[in-house]
Order: sequence, then C-alpha cells, then structure tokens
Amino acid sequence: GAVVSQHPSWVICKSGTSVKIECRSLDFQATTMFWYRQFPKQSLMLMATSNEGSKATYEQGVEKDKFLINHASLTLSTLTVTSAHPEDSSFYICSAKADRGNEKLFFGSGTQLSVL
Amino acid sequence: GESVGLHLPTLSVQEGDNSIINCAYSNSASDYFIWYKQESGKGPQFIIDIRSNMDKRQGQRVTVLLNKTVKHLSLQIAATQPGDSAVYFCAEKEGYNTDKLIFGTGTRLQVFP
Repeated sequence: GAVVSQHPSWVICKSGTSVKIECRSLDFQATTMFWYRQFPKQSLMLMATSNEGSKATYEQGVEKDKFLINHASLTLSTLTVTSAHPEDSSFYICSAKADRGNEKLFFGSGTQLSVL
Repeated sequence: GESVGLHLPTLSVQEGDNSIINCAYSNSASDYFIWYKQESGKGPQFIIDIRSNMDKRQGQRVTVLLNKTVKHLSLQIAATQPGDSAVYFCAEKEGYNTDKLIFGTGTRLQVFP
C-alpha cells in the first residue's frame, strides 16, 4: 500500500516558538493532503485541506495565520504551528489522497506536539 | 451539523471471540464509509471500506455491514486477537464532491487472553 511519512514523530518546544511538521507521500503523488489534530481520547478533527499549488482550505474555527500550510509539491505538505502555546499541544496527523477517483486516504504516523 | 457517532466507547472481549463495533451516522447523502484502526501514538490504519450501494463487504477476518435505512454501520472482527486491541473509528465521506472525511468518536477494543 501507499506510504505516508510524517516527521517529526514528536516535538517539544517552548511557548512562543514555531514548529514545522512535514508530511510526505513516499511512493505516490498526492494531489490532496489533509491535516488533522487529535486530543487525548478524542477523535480526529479536520483542520484543513491542502491542495498542491494552491492555498489550503481551512475548517471553520481553525486560524489560518496560526497553522500555516504549504503544499509546494505533489509529495510534500508542511504544517507550521506559529507562536505555539500550551493549548496547541496535540497529536497532529496528515493524510494523503493518491489521485482523483481513488477515495482511499493514507495516513501518516502522527506528530505529538508538546508546548511548554 | 452532520456527525458520525458511536454507541459504545469501550468494548472488552475475550481472545477468540467475535467483536462487533457499531457506528451511527446522520448524513443520508454520504456514499462512502471507512473503518480505521488506531494504536496508541500512531496514525489511523485503513481496515475496510464500503460504498453506499452495498450492504456488506468482507475482508480478512473483518466484515463491514451498512444499513442505510437506519444509518448504521458496523465492523465485525472474527476470532479477535490481542493484536486487535486498539481504538476503532468509523469515517464518512462528507459528500459526493468532496474528499473530506468525518470521523466518529471512536471505540476502544480491549482483548483479554
């Protein structure tokens, strides 16, 4: 099956710093990638849809200036949490869609962000 | 708004028994459903999917049943093994012209020897 690599798997940072999370499709080109966040013992909440070469589409309530998404190539999308605060601590997960007509999404292994 | 939810937050079964995890959805226009398995600290892993024009689909040790009349989805795991212990999510494609998935709240499956 298709592999989605997410890096780093965990990160600890000080409040006020920015953190970048990378999501790569290793053996396929991903026209669309999705970013989710997940709090402990809760479900995945969609943050934004990232389309290669265009601006991301953010879900209601997600601050686009705080969660910067860049999908510059067909195999890489990045999520940057700017000026992170303790309430941003969460498990961030990306997923990628291979191509049109194939509805299956492949998920990365997630990034645990802890903001001190 | 539309939502996907689960009836049971935790399911405990004995090794070798069959497991049934249930999910209710509210968007009658949804046409694609997926079950995911998530182990602690990892991303969701695809288990099985089903389209709305089907009511049953079988995989290896797993079966998904879809009842569109009552908007109910279930995942059946045969001969449950300790390695099946995880949180299981159902997900629903939000609409025909979108790739967005709405996830249910999750059910934790605990398998005892």
